[in-house]
Amino acid sequence: DAMVIQNPRYQVTQFGKPVTLSCSQTLNHNVMYWYQQKSSQAPKLLFHYYDKDFNNEADTPDNFQSRRPNTSFCFLDIRSPGLGDAAMYLCATSRSGEQFFGPGTRLTVL
Amino acid sequence: RKEVEQDPGPFNVPEGATVAFNCTYSNSASQSFFWYRQDCRKEPKLLMSVYSSGNEDGRFTAQLNRASQYISLLIRDSKLSDSATYLCVVNRPGGYNKLIFGAGTRLAVHP
Repeated sequence: DAMVIQNPRYQVTQFGKPVTLSCSQTLNHNVMYWYQQKSSQAPKLLFHYYDKDFNNEADTPDNFQSRRPNTSFCFLDIRSPGLGDAAMYLCATSRSGEQFFGPGTRLTVL
Repeated sequence: RKEVEQDPGPFNVPEGATVAFNCTYSNSASQSFFWYRQDCRKEPKLLMSVYSSGNEDGRFTAQLNRASQYISLLIRDSKLSDSATYLCVVNRPGGYNKLIFGAGTRLAVHP
């Protein structure tokens, strides 16, 4: 089945230790998104790609970076995770209209 | 003011009840509107799009009032399996299909 896959599902890192979260899709959608969602809060858009065109949200901290080497894959790099970065990170794709979400990666920062 | 505002709930209702959720949005230029459902510790999933004329999908009815910038979701004959958080979602004009999510309204259906 076509889908959005995120690995790992659970990630534990240490304060300040760089971490990379990955997302892949078999939907061949040209737009990919990364969201951060904290408990009982709305998913917050960090950035998105339209093909290789990168669009950063104005309030996304510099600590968060992203790479999209090809249509299928997109990575979220957190350069120096802080305790406040512990959250669920959701990847989504779309062509138009509906966004399809992956299962998310739950990040714990110790 | 938040771009999308919802009553956080929780709404605790018995099986079979009718429950309504409301949502307001701030950007009058928004053109696309959705309700997503999110189960505990899972990803959001599209429940239904919301059209200007209102639309129905089984027990679920969505309404849009552009003049008041107001969206609603009505669930009839609630089932235990309807227990979840319902997210109101609106597009942000500009960019490529950028969606802005409300914080969600939690629904708990009990026997």
